Amino acid sequence: QKEVEQNSGPLSVPEGAIASLNCTYSDRGSQSFFWYRQYSGKSPELIMSIYSNGDKEDGRFTAQLNKASQYVSLLIRDSQPSDSATYLCAVTSYQGGKLIFGQGTELSVKP
Amino acid sequence: NAGVTQTPKFQVLKTGQSMTLQCAQDMNHNSMYWYRQDPGMGLRLIYYSASEGTTDKGEVPNGYNVSRLNKREFSLRLESAAPSQTSVYFCASSEGGGRDTQYFGPGTRLTVL
Repeated sequence: QKEVEQNSGPLSVPEGAIASLNCTYSDRGSQSFFWYRQYSGKSPELIMSIYSNGDKEDGRFTAQLNKASQYVSLLIRDSQPSDSATYLCAVTSYQGGKLIFGQGTELSVKP
Repeated sequence: NAGVTQTPKFQVLKTGQSMTLQCAQDMNHNSMYWYRQDPGMGLRLIYYSASEGTTDKGEVPNGYNVSRLNKREFSLRLESAAPSQTSVYFCASSEGGGRDTQYFGPGTRLTVL
C-alpha cells in the first residue's frame, strides 16, 4: 500500500461547480498535511496546509482533515478553468520534515 | 528574492555520463531537498539536508550523491547516468520542522539516452 494515495483522475467538472479532491494516508503518526497545485510543465506551489482535525478555509479553497479516518480532502468552490492543474497531496512522515507525496489528481475545469 | 533556483533547466546525457544539478536558495532556509517526478508517480524524495552539514537518503537515493555546499546551495550528482534516471528533478527548501512549507525551484528536465 502506498503511503499517500490519491485518485489519479482526470477529474472533470464544469465551470462554477465544486471540485472535490481526496487523499488517504497510511501513517497514523502523520502530523502535517499539505495540498500543492502543479500546472503542466511548472513546479508545485502550496495552496493549503492543515494540521488539526476539521475544516480550514482560504478563499475558494477548503481543506478537510479527519485523522481518525486518515483522510484529507480539498474542496474548490466556484471552479474556474484556471484551476485546471494537477493537485498533489503531501503528508509529513512520522520522522518529521520529510514530505511524502501522493501521485496527484489531474483536475480539468470545463468552461 | 529569486527563491529557489536550479541549473540547468534542460539536459541531455548519454548513458554513463556524469553531471551535477545545482540548486540555490536565498530565503535563509535550513532544509533543502531533491525530488524526482515521473509520470503517474508524484514526487519522490531522493536526498534531503535537514541543516547545513547534514544529508540523508530519501525514498530513491540509488545512483545519486548530494553535497550541501553551504546553507544556500545543495547539489545533486549523477555519477554514471542511466536511462532510468530520465525524469524531472525538483529542488526545494524550507525553514525546517514538520509544519513548514517547502518551496520548489523551477525544475530540471533530464533525458538520458
